[in-house]
Amino acid sequence: AQSVAQPEDQVNVAEGNPLTVKCTYSVSGNPYLFWYVQYPNRGLQFLLKYITGDNLVKGSYGFEAEFNKSQTSFHLKKPSALVSDSALYFCAVRDSYSGAGSYQLTFGKGTKLSVIP
Amino acid sequence: DSGVTQTPKHLITATGQRVTLRCSPRSGDLSVYWYQQSLDQGLQFLIHYYNGEERAKGNILERFSAQQFPDLHSELNLSSLELGDSALYFCASSATGGRTGELFFGEGSRLTVL
Repeated sequence: AQSVAQPEDQVNVAEGNPLTVKCTYSVSGNPYLFWYVQYPNRGLQFLLKYITGDNLVKGSYGFEAEFNKSQTSFHLKKPSALVSDSALYFCAVRDSYSGAGSYQLTFGKGTKLSVIP
Repeated sequence: DSGVTQTPKHLITATGQRVTLRCSPRSGDLSVYWYQQSLDQGLQFLIHYYNGEERAKGNILERFSAQQFPDLHSELNLSSLELGDSALYFCASSATGGRTGELFFGEGSRLTVL
């Protein structure tokens, strides 16, 4: 079964500094990887995805993620953090086809990002 | 605004009771997913419906059931509620069966069981 791990429950970074939120994955076959963000009292929002192609994927709000097959990692990055980036970030992997035309996402436990002014 | 609407936003009830959570997907989306978010379990997939048909089940308890109606809205029914059922329940929709992985989430229904 597919799984993702987010090794850090919380990441603190100063405003203006680069940020990294880590994710490692375990899949059989080609990975389909995603990042979602959850702001307080809101639902999850899609940020970016990797399916195939360039190892550096660009997404919304200036975020990008680096896919590394040898390290089975898909870390989320941003060159310069904003206070408004403070939120809960989830890494996810798309499960293998389960038949009946359905795919599901398996989410990591989330990493709370706090950007300090 | 994702376009996915969930009601009610908050619900407080007692153990043993039954509640119904409602979800309206984005216009045109045929897939509805239900997820449960709790502090200890994280985000858990419960069930997936596509155009009225159940397509996949995840970690959904037998006390829980769902359906998707002809107008594509969905309801999640939770019965014989226990304290441990207190959680945030999310509905998400997509245009397909989830192949692209991009889901649009509602703002959730927070259930508190006392």
